[in-house]
Order: sequence, then structure tokens, then C-alpha cells
Amino acid sequence: EVQLVESGGGLVQPGGSLRLSCAASGFTFSYFEMNWVRQAPGKGLEWISYTGTSGSLIYYADSVKGRFTISRDNAKNSLYLQMNTLRVEDTAVYYCARKNWYSNDVWGQGTLVTVSS
Amino acid sequence: EIVLTQSPGTLSLSPGERAALSCRASQSFSSDYLAWYQQKPGQAPRLLIYGASSRATGIPDRFSGSGSGTDFTLTISRLEPEDFAVYYCQQYGTSPYSFGQGTKLEIK
Repeated sequence: EVQLVESGGGLVQPGGSLRLSCAASGFTFSYFEMNWVRQAPGKGLEWISYTGTSGSLIYYADSVKGRFTISRDNAKNSLYLQMNTLRVEDTAVYYCARKNWYSNDVWGQGTLVTVSS
Repeated sequence: EIVLTQSPGTLSLSPGERAALSCRASQSFSSDYLAWYQQKPGQAPRLLIYGASSRATGIPDRFSGSGSGTDFTLTISRLEPEDFAVYYCQQYGTSPYSFGQGTKLEIK
């Protein structure tokens, strides 16, 4: 079964850091580009970061540029999101998603990040 | 940056009716780069349409997509009770790979 499972979410204080992980299974992870997408409570979807298959091509949304770092380990079938200098407005469910053709065809269940003092 | 504007914000219809959801882009891009998703409360989004008009695996044929340039439409031909949800469009033409703000399809 093709699957993505996020982990690493939780409660963190403003200015703190958190590292999210996304474990892939059921497909050849190294063949696929990957994305992180988040959704604040009661709000819409926000694309935040993309990585190519090797990890050398990377894009970020302006809202997280300079604070978040996307990376991948193809040997471990894993995608990561290092989040630093967290703000209250970063509170959201964070999804990893597989890019296939020009769409996200597989999504994880999401992990909740709450930034609050 | 490409901004996607979805309309209407909320659409109230009855089962069996036809729904047409609009996604308008601030600049033109290839229809290859337009996707539609469905999201139900407490669930991750699900891919419905890619390349503006191709149905994803397992998506019923009552869902169809059309459009080009800056104007795209998701049509649901005959609404089923399970179709009431929030729908998002997304573009992959240029980073940032933006989403529309969503259309909530609710039961009338």
C-alpha cells in the first residue's frame, strides 16, 4: 500500500524549533518529488515547500523562507521539515504529499504543530 | 506569483443537482499544471483531477474538469451525499505552487 506517515508535531513556544518527518512506503521514494503543505485551523491549504528527487532543487513559500528547511533521505525513504524561529501563525496541520505529474496524488494524514506560549 | 481565486466561496445545492466550481488565475499557465482536490472534515485532501481534465485513479466519472489559460472549472454532474466537502484548485506552473482559497459545497 502506498503510504505517507508524518510525525514530529507537537506544542512548541514561539521562537522554538521542531523537526517533522514523513515516512514513505509502498513506492520507490527516490523517484518522486515531494512537498509540504499546511493548513491552519479552519483555513485553507497553503503550499510551503518542494524538493526534487535528489534534494538539490528546492523551493519555499515566502512565509517560511529562511526559517524552514526541507530535506530528504532517499536511503531511509524519508522527507523532513526543519522548522526554526516558529511563530504563532505557523500553527497548523502539516501534510507531506507526493508529487506525481503536476499534482499531489498521495497525502499523509498530517501532523499538528501548535506554537503557543 | 500566480494567485488562484475560487468562486463561489460557498455553494448550496441538493443531491442530484449539478455543481460548477470556478478557479481563476492571475496569469495564464498550461492546463497541464492545474489540479483539483476534495477535502472532508478531519481528512487529508484527495486528488480528483490533474492536468485540468484527467481524473485521478478511482474518481467517479461524475467529476470532470475543464478550462485553459486563466479559467478552469470543476463540474460534478449529479451530486451524491458524499460529494459535500471543500474543493481546492492548485497550480504547478510556477513556484510558489499556490492553492485557491477553496469552495465549500454544502447541502441545501
